[in-house]
Amino acid sequence: DAGVIQSPRHEVTEMGQEVTLRCKPISGHDYLFWYRQTMMRGLELLIYFNNNVPIDDSGMPEDRFSAKMPNASFSTLKIQPSEPRDSAVYFCASSLSGEQYFGPGTRLTVT
Amino acid sequence: AQSVTQLDSQVPVFEEAPVELRCNYSSSVSVYLFWYVQYPNQGLQLLLKYLSGSTLVKGINGFEAEFNKSQTSFHLRKPSVHISDTAEYFCAGTSGTYKYIFGTGTRLKVLA
Repeated sequence: DAGVIQSPRHEVTEMGQEVTLRCKPISGHDYLFWYRQTMMRGLELLIYFNNNVPIDDSGMPEDRFSAKMPNASFSTLKIQPSEPRDSAVYFCASSLSGEQYFGPGTRLTVT
Repeated sequence: AQSVTQLDSQVPVFEEAPVELRCNYSSSVSVYLFWYVQYPNQGLQLLLKYLSGSTLVKGINGFEAEFNKSQTSFHLRKPSVHISDTAEYFCAGTSGTYKYIFGTGTRLKVLA
């Protein structure tokens, strides 16, 4: 299996622009997670889905962040408008039986 | 409260020496425990997991961990480290849901 796929791997954008991060989970996995990693705050869970339905979005920092999972093989995390403090590495992970498998991450830089 | 505590932010160790990375957990996250490794500019990779059964868990790359219920610990060990083990290591736990509680990470630096 190809593992969890994320795109783009790097994104540089200007403050105020919309950013969309993409994730393809491992085929057959029914849980999908979005995390954010920064030096200051470490690894934070933003939101997770089960069978394409959002279960817990309590980690989403504010209304500028939104996530969707239109089908079992695709999810997006959108930031609109982006701000410099959103600069971080965003990870997607998927799970079937408890252990989570992480993608390589998207490094977002907002200038 | 649910918590996973990694007691050391950085651990330097010489090549071929043994290492122990410490992790303590609150009882509410003791159902399942995990160790992940993150190499520079990469995602997290599962090293090993404890779900039930034997308290000594063996993982990849020669790592092992011991679940100690009385001390609420799940320390990671390797008898002889290599330069390639230099990475950040994360301990995580869950109370049975799919929502992990991660520790803050321990940066292992192996010195030649």
